[in-house]
Amino acid sequence: AQKVTQAQTEISVVEKEDVTLDCVYETRDTTYYLFWYKQPPSGELVFLIRRNSFDEQNEISGRYSWNFQKSTSSFNFTITASQVVDSAVYFCALSDSNYQLIWGAGTKLIIKP
Amino acid sequence: IAGITQAPTSQILAAGRRMTLRCTQDMRHNAMYWYRQDLGLGLRLIHYSNTAGTTGKGEVPDGYSVSRANTDDFPLTLASAVPSQTSVYFCASSPNPGGSGANVLTFGAGSRLTVL
Repeated sequence: AQKVTQAQTEISVVEKEDVTLDCVYETRDTTYYLFWYKQPPSGELVFLIRRNSFDEQNEISGRYSWNFQKSTSSFNFTITASQVVDSAVYFCALSDSNYQLIWGAGTKLIIKP
Repeated sequence: IAGITQAPTSQILAAGRRMTLRCTQDMRHNAMYWYRQDLGLGLRLIHYSNTAGTTGKGEVPDGYSVSRANTDDFPLTLASAVPSQTSVYFCASSPNPGGSGANVLTFGAGSRLTVL
């Protein structure tokens, strides 16, 4: 069965700290996609990144970086030097062989000034 | 600004009433989706449409119906609302349902529905 687990329900850190959001997935497919979406307090979900199963290169975009490890079925998300504006709920998702998305329960990230 | 418009933003509804949540996109995306978001459960797919004229059931379709008469509109109807349908509903779209890049979803701002 396809499954995405975000074990951290809520994380609270002080501004400028680094923080890592964990995502562990289960799938029997050999070809799949993994995603991260951000849901700020305004409510609208925003796409952050997509990674396909054949590309294990880590990705860095400014203060954001993603570590994809097939060996541990993980796709973790790190924010470096966190800012208050990073406060949001972050969702990890898996695209299955039917191209439907399986979502994790989300991690609420609170950045304190 | 291109995107998805959902209406209403918020609604309080008596149990047993019929309610339609509206969703319109102007990006000419083929695929559209309805999700509900409940605390601790993430997003759950209610119904989807891969292209105009077709619809499919998602993970939690019971009590909901959809139609896709054209590319732009994808309304979600609750025929007889029940309190367990209290949730935040998100409409989303993607260029196509399959292939690389297909599942990068664009979301609407959500509709908060309370059924009493």
